[in-house]
Amino acid sequence: DTAVSQTPKYLVTQMGNDKSIKCEQNLGHDTMYWYKQDSKKFLKIMFSYNNKELIINETVPNRFSPKSPDKAHLNLHINSLELGDSAVYFCASSRRQGAKGYTFGSGTRLTVV
Amino acid sequence: KQEVTQIPAALSVPEGENLVLNCSFTDSAIYNLQWFRQDPGKGLTSLLLIQSSQREQTSGRLNASLDKSSGRSTLYIAASQPGDSATYLCAVTETSGSRLTFGEGTQLTVNP
Repeated sequence: DTAVSQTPKYLVTQMGNDKSIKCEQNLGHDTMYWYKQDSKKFLKIMFSYNNKELIINETVPNRFSPKSPDKAHLNLHINSLELGDSAVYFCASSRRQGAKGYTFGSGTRLTVV
Repeated sequence: KQEVTQIPAALSVPEGENLVLNCSFTDSAIYNLQWFRQDPGKGLTSLLLIQSSQREQTSGRLNASLDKSSGRSTLYIAASQPGDSATYLCAVTETSGSRLTFGEGTQLTVNP
């Protein structure tokens, strides 16, 4: 299936831990993104990579570090998790920086306890 | 800074009604506008993509229009069904590139 796939789907962890979320797309897109959906359901961009190059880095704590080993993968590593990091994180991809629309993954629900 | 607003925030209608969801954006310099559907606990499903040069797009019972100069888009749903119940999100891609800005969504409930 052609898609944007994220793992894991659910992640429950304790405060202070370090965790990673992985994302892969097989659509041949050259731009990938991480979005955060907060408890009020509002979606906001965190990072954007174009051909492995970071092009958007929103005001996100530096505990969040994206890594793109190749243009089909974009991972998100979070250090020293805090309660406020609990949210749904969505990976997305697009061709030519969004000119032809975006495809989203199914999300990773992160709960920090 | 681009801001996207969706009205109403929530809508409850009986099955069979035609309905309109509204979206407005503050900066008309956009590549395109995309409507998504999000079911509870699920990801985003793309419904319609309208390029900045287009006026409307249709898919089945859905029709989306775009008036770029006035910063408005509408999503028209014909003959609504209970299965249409979901949150509908409007988002614009800015011409500066690589940024999709979302509205807060309209939560639609279609009652049988």
